[in-house]
Amino acid sequence: DQQVKQNSPSLSVQEGRISILNCDYTNSMFDYFLWYKKYPAEGPTFLISISSIKDKNEDGRFTVFLNKSAKHLSLHIVPSQPGDSAVYFCAASIIGNAGKSTFGDGTTLTVKP
Amino acid sequence: GAVVSQHPSRVICKSGTSVKIECRSLDFQATTMFWYRQFPKQSLMLMATSNEGSKATYEQGVEKDKFLINHASLTLSTLTVTSAHPEDSSFYICSAPLGQGVYEQYFGPGTRLTVT
Repeated sequence: DQQVKQNSPSLSVQEGRISILNCDYTNSMFDYFLWYKKYPAEGPTFLISISSIKDKNEDGRFTVFLNKSAKHLSLHIVPSQPGDSAVYFCAASIIGNAGKSTFGDGTTLTVKP
Repeated sequence: GAVVSQHPSRVICKSGTSVKIECRSLDFQATTMFWYRQFPKQSLMLMATSNEGSKATYEQGVEKDKFLINHASLTLSTLTVTSAHPEDSSFYICSAPLGQGVYEQYFGPGTRLTVT
């Protein structure tokens, strides 16, 4: 049973437009959510996170939205840049299990110039 | 720059041999490190939690006798794949939390293991 799901394996957007990456989870115990970015043959890099007590967190071009009732979160990138092309992983954690995260399958984002 | 390093980045070994992968935290101490395995086009699968000074905690379905973990110091954890088989071929990644009780992790660059 996959507890964190990223239903879109890939997404392609034009440079300058908004990229929206989605993530759904099933475990209501999750209370901290993270997005990581990964280039080929490299380890993931932390991008942005959000606690379950918030519904939005913004950091520059990146914004994460959390809808607890729907068990859904999304990452918005605006404006998208070609350098944003990578695999984006959604991850979820439970308080008390700091550092231990459950990952989604990832979404490959391609930003076309 | 990288705050978690892994060595080697790539290794090819023969079936039946053992391979050791090192994970080091640079410029910070990590009492806990995590080992993941990634299959092609799939998610990161947590294998085990490496605890400095105590035994590792393995996830369900991960053979602890096959994947030996040693957290010898506050900056070094090692994963040894024993009696490797071709199905052990994968991308292995370690990570360490940014701090005590912190959810965000620094990841190493990964190790590509190929067992022939």
